[in-house]
Amino acid sequence: DVKVTQSSRYLVKRTGEKVFLECVQDMDHENMFWYRQDPGLGLRLIYFSYDVKMKEKGDIPEGYSVSREKKERFSLILESASTNQTSMYLCASRTLTGGNTGELFFGEGSRLTVL
Amino acid sequence: QKEVEQDPGPLSVPEGAIVSLNCTYSNSAFQYFMWYRQYSRKGPELLMYTYSSGNKEDGRFTAQVDKSSKYISLFIRDSQPSDSATYLCAMCFSGSARQLTFGSGTQLTVLP
Repeated sequence: DVKVTQSSRYLVKRTGEKVFLECVQDMDHENMFWYRQDPGLGLRLIYFSYDVKMKEKGDIPEGYSVSREKKERFSLILESASTNQTSMYLCASRTLTGGNTGELFFGEGSRLTVL
Repeated sequence: QKEVEQDPGPLSVPEGAIVSLNCTYSNSAFQYFMWYRQYSRKGPELLMYTYSSGNKEDGRFTAQVDKSSKYISLFIRDSQPSDSATYLCAMCFSGSARQLTFGSGTQLTVLP
C-alpha cells in the first residue's frame, strides 16, 4: 500500500515564526503536492512538484515555498507564519506512468495553528 | 463563480437510506471525474473514478456523469454508519498535467 507520511499532525506556532512541514512517500511517485483545506473552500493547491528539484506554483502560493531535494520527500515552508495560514495542510503523491489513473494518495494532514 | 460547486451539507440520513451527493461544474473541458471520501481527521482517499459521461458502479456506490448538464453524482445504496464522512468531488482535464479541481465537500452522517 502507498503510504504518505506527514511528520507533524498538530502544530502551534506564533506569528512570524518559520514553519517546516515535511512529507515523505514510499512508492517512488514522481508527482507530489501540497494542499490546504479550509471549511467551505475545499482543497486548494499551494505547490506541486513533477519530479526531484522541480516545483510549480499552484493556485495559492503566496507566503509559501517548497523544497524537493529527494524524490520521496516534499517540504512546505512558511517563511514567516501569519494567522491567515492557520489551516489543515495535506500532502499528496501520485504517478501517471504505467497506465495509472493518476489517483492522488494523501497523507493524514497537518493541522497548523498560528497564534 | 467557482469552477466546481458542491453543496456542503451537512446531510443526515437514517441507516439504509439512499444517498445522493452532487456537484456541478462550469468548464466543459473536464474529462476525468472522481469522488474522494474523507473520514474525520484523515486525508481523503479515492472512492470512485470515471472518464467522460456515463455510470460506474462499485458495490453500494454508483458514480454518474452527465457532461451535457455539467453535473456529476454519487449514489450510496443501503447507507451504513461507516459511510459517515465528507465526500469531495474532483475533476481534471486530460493530458499529462491532470491537476485536480476539488469541490468543497459534503459532510454526510448516517444515523444508526
